[in-house]
Amino acid sequence: SQTIHQWPATLVQPVGSPLSLECTVEGTSNPNLYWYRQAAGRGLQLLFYSVGIGQISSEVPQNLSASRPQDRQFILSSKKLLLSDSGFYLCAWRTSGTEAFFGQGTRLTVV
Amino acid sequence: QKEVEQNSGPLSVPEGAIASLNCTYSDRVSQSFFWYRQYSGKSPELIMSIYSNGDKEDGRFTAQLNKASQYVSLLIRDSQPSDSATYLCAVKRWGAQKLVFGQGTRLTINP
Repeated sequence: SQTIHQWPATLVQPVGSPLSLECTVEGTSNPNLYWYRQAAGRGLQLLFYSVGIGQISSEVPQNLSASRPQDRQFILSSKKLLLSDSGFYLCAWRTSGTEAFFGQGTRLTVV
Repeated sequence: QKEVEQNSGPLSVPEGAIASLNCTYSDRVSQSFFWYRQYSGKSPELIMSIYSNGDKEDGRFTAQLNKASQYVSLLIRDSQPSDSATYLCAVKRWGAQKLVFGQGTRLTINP
């Protein structure tokens, strides 16, 4: 069966520090991978998605970037965090024709 | 106009009653429709998917799709306190690689 791992679960980072969140998927090949952000009490905002290694689509211009160095690995990064980057970050995967499945999420607080 | 709209609630329903959650979407070429449940502080989990007009039942849950009117709904029969959560509607456009989410409706089941 397919599983998705996302870490860390919680993170507190100072303004201006770098960020790296990692997500890996097991049990499937060539999945579509997604990074969403959810602000407190709000809906899901799609940040990036990838349909293959090295292929990244950015949905919202911002302080973040994404990379997909391997088929089942998706990384969200920032060189310098802003207060507005705080939120609940969710990685998700899906294959063609199916629904999306989410990781456990990372709650990021920028202080 | 937002691509996917939901009433943010909160929606309060007595235990044992039917909870009705609604979602409208703007893109007529939308193909796939999903309902997710999200408990506070947790990641979304898939409840149901629906692709064709009409009703789809799974246990206490029924999804209803009306493509002509561009809405999808979720009915929860015999509501339980454990159904208290935020319910997210998601839509996938034909040929697109991403799901677009609504803001979510917060549902509270009162014992």
